[in-house]
Amino acid sequence: QSVLTQPPSVSGAPGQRVTISCTGSSSNIGAGYDVHWYQQLPGTAPKLLIYGNSNRPSGVPDRFSGSKSGTSASLAITGLQAEDEADYYCQSYDSSGVVFGGGTKLTVL
Amino acid sequence: QLQLQESGSGLVKPSQTLSLTCAVSGGSISSGGYSWSWIRQPPGKGLEWIGYIYHSGSTYYNPSLKSRVTISVDRSKNQFSLKLSSVTAADTAVYYCATHWDRRFDPWGQGTLVTVSS
Repeated sequence: QSVLTQPPSVSGAPGQRVTISCTGSSSNIGAGYDVHWYQQLPGTAPKLLIYGNSNRPSGVPDRFSGSKSGTSASLAITGLQAEDEADYYCQSYDSSGVVFGGGTKLTVL
Repeated sequence: QLQLQESGSGLVKPSQTLSLTCAVSGGSISSGGYSWSWIRQPPGKGLEWIGYIYHSGSTYYNPSLKSRVTISVDRSKNQFSLKLSSVTAADTAVYYCATHWDRRFDPWGQGTLVTVSS
C-alpha cells in the first residue's frame, strides 16, 4: 500500500482532458514537500514529467500541467494523444524519506 | 547530459546477496548537489525507493529495507553500487539507478531485471 494514493486507472478519448490525483497527508504533501510526476511508457524507465509541483522540464509539452493544494496534487493532460498512454507516478517526501504513489494507468480510448 | 547504466547479475539465489552497479557518464559522480539513488519496481507493480548516497558519502535508506541495503560509490570508476542481502522472491524486480537532485529523480537508467530464484 503506497503512502500517496492515486487512482489505479483513468481513460479519455483523443483530444480530451484528463486529470490524475495524488492524495497524501499532513506528513508528506501537506507538510510542504514538493510533488513530482513521472511518466512511464510501456517497457521503459520512468521519465520526469513535472517537478516542483508545476514545472515542466525542457522538452515536455505544455499539454501537461501540475498543481498542488493542501495534502493533494494533480496532473492534468489536455489534448490527449495516443502517445500519452502510459503509467503515471507522483513522488514526494515524508519523515522516512522518498514516497511514491501507486501509479495510474492512462488509457487513450 | 548525464547518462546512467545498470549492470549486474540478473539471477540471484534466495538468501544470497544481490549486487548491482550503475555507471555514470556525462558528468562526475563527485559533483556537488547530486545524490545517487536506487529504485525498484516489482513486475506489474509500482515504484519503491531503496535509498541514495550523497557525494559526501552520507547514505539514506528506505526504513523497510535499511537492515539489508548498502549503497556505495567508487569515484575512481565513476560508478555507484547497490548490495541487498538475504534476498527472497519478494525482491524480484526491475532495479533502476537514478540521479537525485533538488528532491527529484532525473535522469534514470534503463533498468535491469533481477530475479530471485533457486
